[in-house]
Amino acid sequence: QKEVEQNSGPLSVPEGAIASLNCTYSDRVSQSFFWYRQYSGKSPELIMSIYSNGDKEDGRFTAQLNKASQYVSLLIRDSQPSDSATYLCAVIPGGTSYGKLTFGQGTILTVHP
Amino acid sequence: GAVVSQHPSWVICKSGTSVKIECRSLDFQATTMFWYRQFPKQSLMLMATSNEGSKATYEQGVEKDKFLINHASLTLSTLTVTSAHPEDSSFYICSTGQGINEQYFGPGTRLTVT
Repeated sequence: QKEVEQNSGPLSVPEGAIASLNCTYSDRVSQSFFWYRQYSGKSPELIMSIYSNGDKEDGRFTAQLNKASQYVSLLIRDSQPSDSATYLCAVIPGGTSYGKLTFGQGTILTVHP
Repeated sequence: GAVVSQHPSWVICKSGTSVKIECRSLDFQATTMFWYRQFPKQSLMLMATSNEGSKATYEQGVEKDKFLINHASLTLSTLTVTSAHPEDSSFYICSTGQGINEQYFGPGTRLTVT
């Protein structure tokens, strides 16, 4: 079983819609969760971090964490074509040193006008 | 967030030669940096943890004698790919972060070995 799993997609949504990205992780004691956005040919850019159960909102982005179910999600409201990218879910598993990320395989999002 | 630079942004080298990639933390002192590798259409895979003033720790399956890491100062870590081969062609990215866990990535170095 992979440590971090994402729907590989591709996910296609119309402009203005809500894009929903999901991620599950296997290490129950993981404490830190992140969403990164990666444009083609570029390095990942941190969008959101979340550490506690519940929702965390930042502009058009909302991260949701449910530790009991071991999933974390990212909602993008009012999706724009510029949001088209690969979204990477990353986790710091329990017992590892800080900052040491394990990534999911990424979900390709396409927002069409 | 942290500002991280990498040099060069891309490099082409011949098989058998060595290539050095630099990663710099521009706005804070980084005792720890991480090196990742990303093959086309794949996710990032952690190669090693670079620790200032001490030896790097490598992930399982990564050859430490092939991928030499030096973290001689609080703002600079270098990755040297020795005796490069075409299969080493990849996107190499470093990360570091200030604070509990958040990591910021450099712009990456695209290595092509011919």
